[in-house]
Amino acid sequence: DIQMTQSPSSLSASVGDRVTITCRASQSISSYLNWYQQKPGKAPKLLIYAASSLQSGVPSRFSGSGSGTDFTLTISSLQPEDFATYYCEQSYITPFTFGPGTNVDIK
Amino acid sequence: EVQLVESGGGLVQPGRSLRLSCAASGFTFDDYAMHWVRQGPGTGLEWVSVISWNSATIHYADSVKGRFTISRDNAKNSLYLQMNSLRAEDTAMYYCAKEGHSSSGDWYFDLWGRGTLVTVSS
Repeated sequence: DIQMTQSPSSLSASVGDRVTITCRASQSISSYLNWYQQKPGKAPKLLIYAASSLQSGVPSRFSGSGSGTDFTLTISSLQPEDFATYYCEQSYITPFTFGPGTNVDIK
Repeated sequence: EVQLVESGGGLVQPGRSLRLSCAASGFTFDDYAMHWVRQGPGTGLEWVSVISWNSATIHYADSVKGRFTISRDNAKNSLYLQMNSLRAEDTAMYYCAKEGHSSSGDWYFDLWGRGTLVTVSS
């Protein structure tokens, strides 16, 4: 199975900050990498698919990059509604696997 | 409205069975593969199973293989997960998720239900 890791596991940031989350796959997954946001008590929400494509309706402050094994999710200017947990997920091969998550909270 | 609604969760004893359902609406259900994803209490997300639009292709996570069975009824716009021989470690919120796919062949979960909670305990 492909293992996904994320760093950091948590971070504290202020509104307006630029935030970067890193995801690494245990083997190359080309661009089959997706990012999700989950708020407490809610289902995950797709933000970015295929490493860098913005899902319809998602604010443009979210962006993704990378290919192969190393990927990045960037929030250009953190907003109050962005405090949540972020997961990466590889859809290269089953079993699809998720990273352990990065919790973004208020500084 | 485009949505997925799960049902069927509850408290069940170890070794017993439970059947989860997911009702889809607002999109052409039989155009898409469907997945189950679960999340243990306070933990991350774990993919469980996928079924193709015509049920021809099915995959399971090793942790549930041989115990869980995914199925769908396109006439009823419904997805199911039959869970047998349940264990304490199966305790989780179970989400059904629609598989989206881009023109370039990427796959992702673009629609999720709110989940149904399964608790396995004596």
